[in-house]
Amino acid sequence: EAQVTQNPRYLITVTGKKLTVTCSQNMNHEYMSWYRQDPGLGLRQIYYSMNVEVTDKGDVPEGYKVSRKEKRNFPLILESPSPNQTSLYFCASSPRVGSGDGYTFGSGTRLTVV
Amino acid sequence: EDQVTQSPEALRLQEGESSSLNCSYTVSGLRGLFWYRQDPGKGPEFLFTLYSAGEEKEKERLKATLTKKESFLHITAPKPEDSATYLCAVQPGENFNKFYFGSGTKLNVKP
Repeated sequence: EAQVTQNPRYLITVTGKKLTVTCSQNMNHEYMSWYRQDPGLGLRQIYYSMNVEVTDKGDVPEGYKVSRKEKRNFPLILESPSPNQTSLYFCASSPRVGSGDGYTFGSGTRLTVV
Repeated sequence: EDQVTQSPEALRLQEGESSSLNCSYTVSGLRGLFWYRQDPGKGPEFLFTLYSAGEEKEKERLKATLTKKESFLHITAPKPEDSATYLCAVQPGENFNKFYFGSGTKLNVKP
């Protein structure tokens, strides 16, 4: 089944403890992106990647890192999480930028930072 | 500044009662406008892409239309299973690596 897999689905952590949210897609998509979803603010783009080793900042990149060493994986790293990073996170992929096919989204990771 | 505004925030319909959702946008040249459906506890699911004013796309009871400033998602004779949050997103022509989402319209269809 074609899908984007995120792990974990739920995570509660403490301020300052480094964490990684994994994202993997099995569709050979070139383009991948991370979003956070907050009530009243909609989905906001954190980082995106056009292909392997090519990444760039979205609108809200502060406090996040990403890497794209393989085409299928695009992990999101929070080096020192803070409470304002409590949110619902989505990873998404599409065949290539501008393909018009729209994203395939993962099921989401609900992160709570205390 | 690129911006997307959806209205209404929430909409309650009786089964069979047709209506429209609105997505207005301000963007530096539009490359594409996307509609998604999001069910509780799930990621958004892609519905349509529209590229130019006058374009229309249909899928079952849903029809999306596009003008130069806004898009409408028309829902004809909705059923309870159409209940979801509907999101629109725009892809600016100046930087088509970026996407800007609206906050969504939460649709509730009562039987």
